[in-house]
Amino acid sequence: DVKVTQSSRYLVKRTGEKVFLECVQDMDHENMFWYRQDPGLGLRLIYFSYDVKMKEKGDIPEGYSVSREKKERFSLILESASTNQTSMYLCASATMNQPQHFGDGTRLSIL
Amino acid sequence: QQQVKQSPQSLIVQKGGISIINCAYENTAFDYFPWYQQFPGKGPALLIAIRPDVSEKKEGRFTISFNKSAKQFSLHIMDSQPGDSATYFCAASYGNNRLAFGKGNQVVVIP
Repeated sequence: DVKVTQSSRYLVKRTGEKVFLECVQDMDHENMFWYRQDPGLGLRLIYFSYDVKMKEKGDIPEGYSVSREKKERFSLILESASTNQTSMYLCASATMNQPQHFGDGTRLSIL
Repeated sequence: QQQVKQSPQSLIVQKGGISIINCAYENTAFDYFPWYQQFPGKGPALLIAIRPDVSEKKEGRFTISFNKSAKQFSLHIMDSQPGDSATYFCAASYGNNRLAFGKGNQVVVIP
């Protein structure tokens, strides 16, 4: 079974802090994705990566950056957290032409 | 932005009944249409998927119907059970395994 592990289930941070969300997959997948999930808005793509050190902006990249130094790990960075970034963050991975597999999410609260 | 429109927003079904969720899309370049099921506190999990050269796919109590000319597809849950109570997302795949998600549908199955 594919396993996508997000390092924290719940996280509380303060406005202006730099926040790191970590995601690790164990299936040697080329593609990795970060989404945020908000009620009534579904899943929105923030960034994705199709190879080590490669990254592409998704639909809502503003205020975020990513890092992929190793194939199995994809990090989402909030450079200066703001209250409107309070959300559920989901990481996913996939190999070419196969479905995405999701982690269980990190519920992030920015105070 | 790629768009997939999902309806209804929520659905209440009696145990043993049929749950039907509909999705519509515009982009004819979409090449793969998965449905995800999400339980509270968990990430979305792939439920069933279809490619546009097939009009119907059935897996157990779950069936996808696909109408290419109308650019619509739907999920049918037959003999709905309380354990099917979850949020369901339709999605459509385009370039580099990216997915455009519908906004989700909360299904509640009452005993």
